[in-house]
Amino acid sequence: KAGVTQTPRYLIKTRGQQVTLSCSPISGHRSVSWYQQTPGQGLQFLFEYFSETQRNKGNFPGRFSGRQFSNSRSEMNVSTLELGDSALYLCASSFRGMMNTEAFFGQGTRLTVV
Amino acid sequence: GESVGLHLPTLSVQEGDNSIINCAYSNSASDYFIWYKQESGKGPQFIIDIRSNMDKRQGQRVTVLLNKTVKHLSLQIAATQPGDSAVYFCAENDGLTGGGNKLTFGTGTQLKVEL
Repeated sequence: KAGVTQTPRYLIKTRGQQVTLSCSPISGHRSVSWYQQTPGQGLQFLFEYFSETQRNKGNFPGRFSGRQFSNSRSEMNVSTLELGDSALYLCASSFRGMMNTEAFFGQGTRLTVV
Repeated sequence: GESVGLHLPTLSVQEGDNSIINCAYSNSASDYFIWYKQESGKGPQFIIDIRSNMDKRQGQRVTVLLNKTVKHLSLQIAATQPGDSAVYFCAENDGLTGGGNKLTFGTGTQLKVEL
């Protein structure tokens, strides 16, 4: 059974550009969550999607957005990139998307903004 | 705001010894906790979880203890092995609004296993 797949693994962008990251959840999983990991702030929740609807949202500016497709694959977009957006972006999927269920993480996309 | 925090940033143990990683949480309404292990260059890996109606849960070589009175969580690793070297995070599922998953992570503890 394939795990959570995130693409690309590494990305370098320039300030002001935008970027789109992709996440394919484990087959059958309907909940997809996104997290940002930095040395200074640790792991922080961005948002969660379930059945193509955003269900939970963290405290990030509107430059961070996401969506989920009918096959549960998800994308997140960051517009007008800033140096501080450099981070490891992690995606997690869970089976039914209900509270208190295991969330499995992908290996992440390492974004570097220069 | 509510947060999940860790007592120690780094823990060094001898191979074969038991390891104990601690975590304090401040949200008294928290009812689900998870421990993750993250190795360098990888995403967090699920280790074990526990619900607030339990005090203890055991897995393979790992035990999680929950003390709701003092809002404390711990992860015990028996017979620590070199492969256990990683950063360990406790996390609280805070998806209370609208249900779902919203994990709040602690700052992490680096476990170093010495041969």
